[in-house]
Amino acid sequence: DGGITQSPKYLFRKEGQNVTLSCEQNLNHDAMYWYRQDPGQGLRLIYYSQIVNDFQKGDIAEGYSVSREKKESFPLTVTSAQKNPTAFYLCASSIVGGLKSQYFGPGTRLLVL
Amino acid sequence: GENVEQHPSTLSVQEGDSAVIKCTYSDSASNYFPWYKQELGKGPQLIIDIRSNVGEKKDQRIAVTLNKTAKHFSLHITETQPEDSAVYFCAASIGETSGSRLTFGEGTQLTVNP
Repeated sequence: DGGITQSPKYLFRKEGQNVTLSCEQNLNHDAMYWYRQDPGQGLRLIYYSQIVNDFQKGDIAEGYSVSREKKESFPLTVTSAQKNPTAFYLCASSIVGGLKSQYFGPGTRLLVL
Repeated sequence: GENVEQHPSTLSVQEGDSAVIKCTYSDSASNYFPWYKQELGKGPQLIIDIRSNVGEKKDQRIAVTLNKTAKHFSLHITETQPEDSAVYFCAASIGETSGSRLTFGEGTQLTVNP
């Protein structure tokens, strides 16, 4: 099956700890995205990447970091600098160029202990 | 940057009735408008989209209309069913030059009562 996978489904973070969320796609999409969703709110863009080894900050990048070493993978690290990390994190991918939409993974819920 | 406003935030209808969700956008350069359905605890799923050179698009019980002059677009669901209950998000994109970067509305919780 083609699609986007995110792991884990639930993740717990202790104070001062960095955690990494995984996102993998086999859709052969060049672009990948990370969003944060808080209860009752829309999606806010954290980082996005349109090509391997390149990425740009979104609207709420502070306290997060990413890498794009492979086309299929776009991991997100929530650092200790992110003071309010509890949220639902969504990864998406799309082709680049043309008016095409994004396809989302199932999400990872991050909770702080 | 682009700003997308979505109304209403909650909508409750009886099964079989129609539901309408409206969005406005601020950047006249936006040219692509997808709609997503998100069920509880899951990622959003694309249900329909429209491009700026089209005024209306239909897919079975779902339709989307676009008014570029007024900078607003709407989602119409006819003959609603309980399985239509979910959160619906609209989004806007400038498309080509921004690599499909989307700006989302804040969502509408639709409840279809049997």
